[in-house]
Amino acid sequence: NAGVTQTPKFRILKIGQSMTLQCTQDMNHNYMYWYRQDPGMGLKLIYYSVGAGITDKGEVPNGYNVSRSTTEDFPLRLELAAPSQTSVYFCGSRGQETQYFGPGTRLLVL
Amino acid sequence: KQEVTQIPAALSVPEGENLVLNCSFTDSAIYNLQWFRQDPGKGLTSLLLIQSSQREQTSGRLNASLDKSSGRSTLYIAASQPGDSATYLCAVISSGSARQLTFGSGTQLTVLP
Repeated sequence: NAGVTQTPKFRILKIGQSMTLQCTQDMNHNYMYWYRQDPGMGLKLIYYSVGAGITDKGEVPNGYNVSRSTTEDFPLRLELAAPSQTSVYFCGSRGQETQYFGPGTRLLVL
Repeated sequence: KQEVTQIPAALSVPEGENLVLNCSFTDSAIYNLQWFRQDPGKGLTSLLLIQSSQREQTSGRLNASLDKSSGRSTLYIAASQPGDSATYLCAVISSGSARQLTFGSGTQLTVLP
């Protein structure tokens, strides 16, 4: 039981490039989330999903897209990367009550 | 819009002290409240979850309380140890269908040996 896994762990992008952050959970959770954490701050919600095929925007969705074709996977797509997207990205999932998080992806946009 | 505030932003204590971390939130219509620990460069580890109908939860040396009416939660750490050094995040879980979390900025705790 791996919990929530994220890849890659670290990535450097040039301005204007695109990439997909991968997230997988093996707990059969319906709820999945993407958050970003800027230095010295708490986490802010980017997108969330309440089940396969259903996604919705969070607090800071601009510049990102998501899809949820299976229960296990919830990838986050960055189109036209900007320096403001430099952050640490956490994927999470929720079962009955407790929220679980992956180890994070550190993204640097130069 | 829910806002979560954690005070203090940083705290340094000698080993063995008991300490309290504070969390306040603006909208009392919450589903749950969860405390997390985050080590530098690492992900989040869930410490305690308090359901909105509960007043407190305990796990080992940790005790978390919740007062919904006043919009406050505290995390009490007994007999602190250097291994407790980390950032502690409070997150309020909304009552909506998404059950999304709204986080505070965290309290950075340093326990000195």
